[in-house]
Amino acid sequence: DTAVSQTPKYLVTQMGNDKSIKCEQNLGHDTMYWYKQDSKKFLKIMFSYNNKELIINETVPNRFSPKSPDKAHLNLHINSLELGDSAVYFCASSRGGPSGSQETQYFGPGTRLLVL
Amino acid sequence: AQSVAQPEDQVNVAEGNPLTVKCTYSVSGNPYLFWYVQYPNRGLQFLLKYITGDNLVKGSYGFEAEFNKSQTSFHLKKPSALVSDSALYFCAVRDLSSGSARQLTFGSGTQLTVLP
Repeated sequence: DTAVSQTPKYLVTQMGNDKSIKCEQNLGHDTMYWYKQDSKKFLKIMFSYNNKELIINETVPNRFSPKSPDKAHLNLHINSLELGDSAVYFCASSRGGPSGSQETQYFGPGTRLLVL
Repeated sequence: AQSVAQPEDQVNVAEGNPLTVKCTYSVSGNPYLFWYVQYPNRGLQFLLKYITGDNLVKGSYGFEAEFNKSQTSFHLKKPSALVSDSALYFCAVRDLSSGSARQLTFGSGTQLTVLP
């Protein structure tokens, strides 16, 4: 009954490969997010979707493409992986639409990506 | 633009002693402020938030934080630290007057170590 789940938990791959990370939330939330946490633990927003619509798209290489098949899922596809993509990627979700600024974000356990 | 600073990378405290983890913020309008905790190899867990009202906010696991508008601070406190409180703590802010009001900006994190 995990609230926000991500798969896989660990991902080790070669440079140049394409990979996907999946995220699902069973909280009935309308908004989902992807964050990247680097080796210094710095956490930065990448994307946010509200009801399957992209609402935040930070300066992220276009090799990263989020896809939201429904409001309970937000997947992250990464093309042509580079060494610098190695990080922990966190999915999160929250209630409310564009005015839901006060809502708490709930995080998944993270996906640890290592690009060799 | 919104930003948040956690001036201490590391805080060490003896078990049973009070602890403080510092956070200051910068926003154009009124802030929503959050504290999250991250245990090793885990996702972020919500501790508490300030939206409006009483400046002293109580949260999970005996933590509390005080919103100080004049000092633009939101320090996290606990009267008596436990070894199990050892973790990485993140402060986060959302600026209500910002065009990207849903975007949460995180501090760089403070590693709390409680010594037995």
